[in-house]
Amino acid sequence: GAGVSQSPSNKVTEKGKDVELRCDPISGHTALYWYRQSLGQGLEFLIYFQGNSAPDKSGLPSDRFSAERTGGSVSTLTIQRTQQEDSAVYLCASSSRGYEQYFGPGTRLTVT
Amino acid sequence: GNSVTQMEGPVTLSEEAFLTINCTYTATGYPSLFWYVQYPGEGLQLLLKATKADDKGSNKGFEATYRKETTSFHLEKGSVQVSDSAVYFCALITSGGSYIPTFGRGTSLIVHP
Repeated sequence: GAGVSQSPSNKVTEKGKDVELRCDPISGHTALYWYRQSLGQGLEFLIYFQGNSAPDKSGLPSDRFSAERTGGSVSTLTIQRTQQEDSAVYLCASSSRGYEQYFGPGTRLTVT
Repeated sequence: GNSVTQMEGPVTLSEEAFLTINCTYTATGYPSLFWYVQYPGEGLQLLLKATKADDKGSNKGFEATYRKETTSFHLEKGSVQVSDSAVYFCALITSGGSYIPTFGRGTSLIVHP
């Protein structure tokens, strides 16, 4: 079946612009996660959605970052007023039982 | 809180060499343990998992045993191939909590022909 998909695969934006990153999870997966991976670094947790519960936003680095999940499926991560330090690969993952995660290929964001 | 510590990389091996990547953890509660692999330019893929003490996870020739007494989950492979070159992440998740996994920093493996 289809895996987790993310779009765009690459995004180049100018400093100060807003960007939206999209994640389509595996159908039926109730949990959805966003992570950030900077060059040569590990995974930084950003936000977690579980079903209809309020999301866990504890990993968002600033109020410029926000995310929503519509209809328990597709999720959008929005970064406002992008800064150069936001340049990274943004990974989305979904899970059916909150255990093993299925990752998308990521969106590489470059802020110039 | 939870934490995962992996050996620093890169680990550089010749083809057919034996691989060990060390992973130790601390956890509040009873964790499930995972190894993920990330090939260049891709997202992470689940490699193997173990959900209780003394369980052995295995896949594609890789193995790891859940050792509660040493709080470890070391990844091993008897004979590596060039195609195993990737970054390997150890991770845990504890039940009854928020289901947000804790990842190690990743260990890069480079296998030369």
